[in-house]
Amino acid sequence: EPEVTQTPSHQVTQMGQEVILRCVPISNHLYFYWYRQILGQKVEFLVSFYNNEISEKSEIFDDQFSVERPDGSNFTLKIRSTKLEDSAMYFCASRGSGAGTNTGELFFGEGSRLTVL
Amino acid sequence: SQQGEEDPQALSIQEGENATMNCSYKTSINNLQWYRQNSGRGLVHLILIRSNEREKHSGRLRVTLDTSKKSSSLLITASRAADTASYFCATALSGGYNKLIFGAGTRLAVHP
Repeated sequence: EPEVTQTPSHQVTQMGQEVILRCVPISNHLYFYWYRQILGQKVEFLVSFYNNEISEKSEIFDDQFSVERPDGSNFTLKIRSTKLEDSAMYFCASRGSGAGTNTGELFFGEGSRLTVL
Repeated sequence: SQQGEEDPQALSIQEGENATMNCSYKTSINNLQWYRQNSGRGLVHLILIRSNEREKHSGRLRVTLDTSKKSSSLLITASRAADTASYFCATALSGGYNKLIFGAGTRLAVHP
């Protein structure tokens, strides 16, 4: 069964360092998302991406965050200068579009746990 | 303001019992979805109910939607220990069929 894959599963970094989290969405999906979940808290929307551009972003997604789809398969989240409060689980998700795939359901990866020291 | 809020925050039951979780939201929606999350894992889609639907079933899951009260419920019948997880409702807003907004979740513990 197709799945969303994320790497790394866990990354530890020092405050102020840049981090890139990678995602491979399901191949025929066209909508891509990043969410984050601080330990024990709710799942928060960060950004959605469609047609090679950001379609919507939350207040959390400030200038230190960026997303990119550098090729036909990868979808990345970059945090330019990490802060302690960026420590969280980051989830990538994708959704299909068009007949047969646009069910509205999001398919999530297993997440990348980011720990900022 | 919070879009989706679940209650209870935590629920502890015995195997075989039914579990009911509720979700309330504030704005008009296109659809409402329920997801499950095992500890430390990703979210798994369970069921989607559209704004023009009132009830939907999938296996042991039953979801209701009351758009006049802006609320939904998820019923898991004949629960099993393997149902132990966190359950989240998520709303897709009207006019913006794009992102999902998640509630805070209900932590369900099913004891053998």
